[in-house]
Amino acid sequence: AQSVTQLDSQVPVFEEAPVELRCNYSSSVSVYLFWYVQYPNQGLQLLLKYLSGSTLVESINGFEAEFNKSQTSFHLRKPSVHISDTAEYFCAVSPRGGQGFSFIFGKGTRLLVKP
Amino acid sequence: EAGVAQSPRYKIIEKRQSVAFWCNPISGHATLYWYQQILGQGPKLLIQFQNNGVVDDSQLPKDRFSAERLKGVDSTLKIQPAKLEDSAVYLCASSSYGTNYEQYFGPGTRLTVT
Repeated sequence: AQSVTQLDSQVPVFEEAPVELRCNYSSSVSVYLFWYVQYPNQGLQLLLKYLSGSTLVESINGFEAEFNKSQTSFHLRKPSVHISDTAEYFCAVSPRGGQGFSFIFGKGTRLLVKP
Repeated sequence: EAGVAQSPRYKIIEKRQSVAFWCNPISGHATLYWYQQILGQGPKLLIQFQNNGVVDDSQLPKDRFSAERLKGVDSTLKIQPAKLEDSAVYLCASSSYGTNYEQYFGPGTRLTVT
């Protein structure tokens, strides 16, 4: 079985400051890793994913996440946040080798960017 | 392309009543998912369809929840009878076979059971 822990329920940060949203997972099998974002009044959108290869993955809007197998973590970072980054961020895992991608989501971290 | 459509967007019912949600996935997406998102928690997978066959329904409370996907396109999720703890947002998502890691989510249906 898999589980995902997002250590912070809410992260307030000032605009242009750096931010890190933490995600740890537990699994007895290898997993794929994802970050989804949910902007206010919108559906979830895939932000970035780790399937294989380089452990550092980047999104088009400046976020990056690094897969750390030894620490079973997949923390999300951005060097300088904008007001528009205010949203709920969900970390998710999916076991490799299944019939489909069955996501197990964390509880989410609300990023609140203040001016 | 059009996104995943869901209706209704909001629904308020009394406990023991029944309710149905509808989902229209992105055209051509073979895989369809229903998730339940309780306030303050992440989405939890209820059921996954591949075309019109069920791949995973291990977390679906089958005594009260049912789902179908006719002709491998639209899907309905039904709750009968509803309980207070069913209050949640019900999310539908779809993905293309071969890139199932990228799921496209609809806006969800917010259900309140009183």
